[in-house]
This record gives sequence, structure tokens and C-alpha cells, in this order.
Amino acid sequence: RKEVEQDPGPFNVPEGATVAFNCTYSNSASQSFFWYRQDCRKEPKLLMSVYSSGNEDGRFTAQLNRASQYISLLIRDSKLSDSATYLCVVRGTGFQKLVFGTGTRLLVSP
Amino acid sequence: DTGVSQDPRHKITKRGQNVTFRCDPISEHNRLYWYRQTLGQGPEFLTYFQNEAQLEKSRLLSDRFSAERPKGSFSTLEIQRTEQGDSAMYLCASSSPSGILSGGYTFGSGTRLTVV
Repeated sequence: RKEVEQDPGPFNVPEGATVAFNCTYSNSASQSFFWYRQDCRKEPKLLMSVYSSGNEDGRFTAQLNRASQYISLLIRDSKLSDSATYLCVVRGTGFQKLVFGTGTRLLVSP
Repeated sequence: DTGVSQDPRHKITKRGQNVTFRCDPISEHNRLYWYRQTLGQGPEFLTYFQNEAQLEKSRLLSDRFSAERPKGSFSTLEIQRTEQGDSAMYLCASSSPSGILSGGYTFGSGTRLTVV
């Protein structure tokens, strides 16, 4: 079983739609959680951190459920420029490395 | 340019040849990571350096792979006797000690290896 599991998609949505991605992680000792964005043939870049209280950055909302070991990302009012792969990422206690999910591909169409 | 630099950007090699990639991290970052990414997959951890010390190696890193970070600055990743299965994007990332806590990896643009 992979440490971080995501639905690979693709999710095809029209501009303006709301879309949600989920991921689950297997290591209950994981301490930090993030969403990264990766454009085609580019390097991953940090999108936002994820906290149990939930956090929002403009049109993006991230949520963590520690009891269910579940992380979500909600994108409202999708833009064409949101088309990318979204990577769910976790870091465990004392772990000095990040573990990446396989990514969920989003395609926003006009 | 204050980002993470990787060289070369692309490498095509024949099966059985040796290849070496270089990564120059952000100068104030003491942590350096190598990842490998294949099509449709997320980055997979290979190895991690804190300064010049290699502190962790993945089981993915077979004995054909070796990484160094002399003097705690740039790093090299060498693959000996390349196989077609080694074809992938090799990503280097760096972070500061506080950066890893906040998710702050900075990735380089990667080296795309094709073994023919």
C-alpha cells in the first residue's frame, strides 16, 4: 500500500466550477501536510500547507482530518490556469523528507 | 539566479553507459534531496543530505546509484550501467531546517534521462 494515495483523475471541469480532490495517508505519525502543484513537464511547487483547522488561500481551501487520515483540496471558481497536477504530500515525525502522492490531474476547459 | 539549478536538463544515453547529474542548491539551504519521477507518478524519494552527510537512502537506490555532496554544496547523482528502467525525471530539491517544517522544498527543473 502506498503511503499517500490519490485518485489520478483526470478531473475535467468547466471554467467556474468547484472541484474537490482527496487523498489518504497511511502513516498515523505524519505531522505535516501539503498540497503541491505541478504543471506539465515542470517541477512541483508548494501550493499550500494543510492544517486540522482548515485553511484558505483565495479560491483554494485545504482541510485535514487526522482521525480518518484524510486530506482534501477544494478549488472554487476554476480558471483555465488551474489546469495542472495536484500532489498530496506528507511529512512524518522526525522525518526529514516529504512523501508525495501520485497526483491528481485537473483539466479546466472553456 | 537564486533557485536550485540542475544540469543537464536532458540526457539521452545508451543502455550500459554511466551518467552523472549535478545539482546546485540554494546557497543557504543545508538540506538537499534527490527524487525520481516517472510518467503518471509523483516524485519518489531517493536520498537526502544534510550538509555533506548522506543521512538517508531509499531502497529504490540500487547499488548502481551513488550520490555525493562534497563540502556540503553541490551534489552529484551517478547512475552506472544504465538500464531502460532508469528513464525518468531526476529532481533535486533543497530546503533550510525550518523550511522542511513548512513544506518549503524548492525543486530544480530536473534532469530528464532517456536510456535507449
